[in-house]
Amino acid sequence: AQTVTQSQPEMSVQEAETVTLSCTYDTSESDYYLFWYKQPPSRQMILVIRQEAYKQQNATENRFSVNFQKAAKSFSLKISDSQLGDAAMYFCAYIGSNSGYALNFGKGTSLLVTP
Amino acid sequence: GAGVSQSPSNKVTEKGKDVELRCDPISGHTALYWYRQSLGQGLEFLIYFQGNSAPDKSGLPSDRFSAERTGGSVSTLTIQRTQQEDSAVYLCASSTGRVVDTQYFGPGTRLTVL
Repeated sequence: AQTVTQSQPEMSVQEAETVTLSCTYDTSESDYYLFWYKQPPSRQMILVIRQEAYKQQNATENRFSVNFQKAAKSFSLKISDSQLGDAAMYFCAYIGSNSGYALNFGKGTSLLVTP
Repeated sequence: GAGVSQSPSNKVTEKGKDVELRCDPISGHTALYWYRQSLGQGLEFLIYFQGNSAPDKSGLPSDRFSAERTGGSVSTLTIQRTQQEDSAVYLCASSTGRVVDTQYFGPGTRLTVL
């Protein structure tokens, strides 16, 4: 079974600064996909970024980028120029090409952004 | 376009009552998923619908839980004889149907069982 671990229950960052959220996963599959979702107090899970395991290049979306280390099974999210609106729960998720269609989520990291 | 919608937003019920939660996926999305988010268990997969295929119910926690999807669109998750441990946020997601396609989530229904 695949497991996703987020070791930081809470993180804090000042506005305009950079923060990195950690995620590690365990899998025996070679082809899989990784995601970061953001969940603000409104509860709606919003896709932040997606990474295909077969791609060596790290995905980026504006201020959000990932550091994907396949050998280490690590998938961290970097948020640059943090904004107050970035405050939310962040979930790392995994789905394998052959293991099904249910997302396996980590426990989440609560990000606080201070002025 | 419109995203995934869910209703009601919040539901409070008494132990032992039945509840129905509704999900309206993104138009054109053939795959629909239900997840449960609770403090103790995190996010758990419940059930998956893909087109006209038989649903994957492997995540349903007990036979008190059931779901259906009518006309390949709207889905209803039913919980019979609710228990306090059923209190959670129930999230619905939809995707275009390819296994590894991105799942888009609705705002969830917060269920509180008294």
